Amino acid sequence: NAGVTQTPKFQVLKTGQSMTLQCAQDMNHNSMYWYRQDPGMGLRLIYYSASEGTTDKGEVPNGYNVSRLNKREFSLRLESAAPSQTSVYFCASLRNWGDETQYFGPGTRLLVL
Amino acid sequence: GIQVEQSPPDLILQEGANSTLRCNFSDSVNNLQWFHQNPWGQLINLFYIPSGTKQNGRLSATTVATERYSLLYISSSQTTDSGVYFCAVAAGGTSYGKLTFGQGTILTVHP
Repeated sequence: NAGVTQTPKFQVLKTGQSMTLQCAQDMNHNSMYWYRQDPGMGLRLIYYSASEGTTDKGEVPNGYNVSRLNKREFSLRLESAAPSQTSVYFCASLRNWGDETQYFGPGTRLLVL
Repeated sequence: GIQVEQSPPDLILQEGANSTLRCNFSDSVNNLQWFHQNPWGQLINLFYIPSGTKQNGRLSATTVATERYSLLYISSSQTTDSGVYFCAVAAGGTSYGKLTFGQGTILTVHP
């Protein structure tokens, strides 16, 4: 099992460019999440997908969109990147609401110039 | 929303020492997890512990849900324990696992 994988590992963008962060899990988990981590802080939830076919906003959704492509994959899109979106982005998945352990991917470091 | 406070913010230890990290939260929770973020940035699950006590080797955790706090104990610390320890919670009801993280405790273990 690879667990939760994320691509790319690192990306540099110019202000106004767009990009999509990819996330996939091979644990047959129902729920998936996108968080961002700014320097010296804990993680904050951007968007989540409670189950295949559903998505909803988290604490800091502005400037982002998501797609739950299928049960395995959950992507995060920045339509017009801004320097304030410089951060480390983590994807996570959770099996069900009986055992709510979340498993995190390795992160994507994004720098917006 | 729910507030999560961790203490202390920083902790410096000599190898072999014991430590206790605390997490206070402002509302009832149905999910509480402790994570270790290693120096490479990877988040590693330590415990899923919305209530009760668990142990895993040198680490143990206790959550007293009625009093809204959780403690993480590290015994006989090693240099590999260095990193940031996060507590994260999700409130009850339809939380769908939406975790709120504390600010973290930065642990440095010197040889």
